[in-house]
Amino acid sequence: DAGVTQTPRHEVAEKGQTIILKCEPVSGHNDLFWYRQTKIQGLELLSYFRSKSLMEDGGAFKDRFKAEMLNSSFSTLKIQPTEPKDSAVYLCASSPGTLSAETLYFGSGTRLTVL
Amino acid sequence: QQKVQQSPESLIVPEGAMTSLNCTFSDSASQYFAWYRQHSGKAPKALMSIFSNGEKEEGRFTIHLNKASLHFSLHIRDSQPSDSALYLCAVSRTGFASALTFGSGTKVIPCLP
Repeated sequence: DAGVTQTPRHEVAEKGQTIILKCEPVSGHNDLFWYRQTKIQGLELLSYFRSKSLMEDGGAFKDRFKAEMLNSSFSTLKIQPTEPKDSAVYLCASSPGTLSAETLYFGSGTRLTVL
Repeated sequence: QQKVQQSPESLIVPEGAMTSLNCTFSDSASQYFAWYRQHSGKAPKALMSIFSNGEKEEGRFTIHLNKASLHFSLHIRDSQPSDSALYLCAVSRTGFASALTFGSGTKVIPCLP
């Protein structure tokens, strides 16, 4: 089985640009998550989908961050407009969403640098 | 809101030695406790998890949970170069992945004895 695939691996943007990060979850998983990872804050939840429905949109990240699930096998995270403080690793994860004590399966992430 | 804190931030561990990583949480109703390991530039991967107070051992790794102290730990014995990674603890109130809160991580750096 393929794991979680994220593209691109690296992204460099100028301040004010719009960028779109992509994620393909594990086939058959119902839950999809977007996290931001920094050394200071650790992993912060940006968005959570269950069966393509947005369940959580990460509060503080609402204004410039928008995640969508176009279908059960593809999700995007749009950041518009980008700011230097958005520089971080963005991780996508999926899980079956049917049982408790479920493992999260992560992608390798997209490292975003905003100049 | 659940707060999860890890200590230390980083750890240099001689090869063959034992080491302990700590995680504290704030919500006493938490039910599920897990450790994830992230090698540099790679995806975090689940390592071990526990529900009940006590210990759970898998190979060189042991989780110890004390709910009353709001604390759990990961012990790694016979440290290997392959243990070089960022270790993330995660806590869930419900046991579901959707409710996991992660710590910032402890970076383990093996060294020659």
